[in-house]
Amino acid sequence: EVQLVESGGGLVKPGGSLRLSCAVSGFKFSSYNINWVRQAPGKGLEWVSFISTSSSYIHYADSVKGRFTVSRDNARNSVYLEMTSLRVEDTGVYYCARDGGGARFYNWFDPWGQGTTVKVSS
Amino acid sequence: SYVLTQPPSVSVAPGQTAKITCAGDDIGTKGVHWYQQKPGRGPVAVVHDDADRPSGIPERFSGSTSGNTATLTITRVEAGDEADFYCQVWDSRTDHWVFGGGTKLTVL
Repeated sequence: EVQLVESGGGLVKPGGSLRLSCAVSGFKFSSYNINWVRQAPGKGLEWVSFISTSSSYIHYADSVKGRFTVSRDNARNSVYLEMTSLRVEDTGVYYCARDGGGARFYNWFDPWGQGTTVKVSS
Repeated sequence: SYVLTQPPSVSVAPGQTAKITCAGDDIGTKGVHWYQQKPGRGPVAVVHDDADRPSGIPERFSGSTSGNTATLTITRVEAGDEADFYCQVWDSRTDHWVFGGGTKLTVL
């Protein structure tokens, strides 16, 4: 069974840092691009970051560029999101999602993890 | 930046057909993906690349594009279809993924 499991969320003060992890199983991790998506309480989905299979291509949403860093360890079947200079508006559920595996380089997201909650508050 | 516009809500009676739209410039050239999200759950892809269904998604879910609008159609709507739906495209000009604002489907 294909699974993605996020962890590392929690309560952090504005200006603080947090490292999220996404552990995957059930497929050949090194063959798939991975994305991070977040959802503020009661709001819609916001794409955060993309990392390609070999980490050669990395993209960030404008709202997090310069503060967040995505990385992956293909030997450990894991993706990480290092978040620094956190703001109140970074609060939300953070999902990792696998590339759906289509013919394009940038494909739909399938499947998604269950999410980990980040709360930035003083 | 590229913008996708969805209606905030759509209501439909059980057994009827629901249509959820997603508007964006030249959307037909981008490859549109659709997700269903139920409360407290991660999103699930229901249509990808405008009109293809991932395995396990019922044939009641279909997608289409025309002009600057993509449409997710759900036939024979069931109570269990009630959820938030999001469209998504890849914007190659900015190397960003873009989501629509989401549409809440209510089954009356």
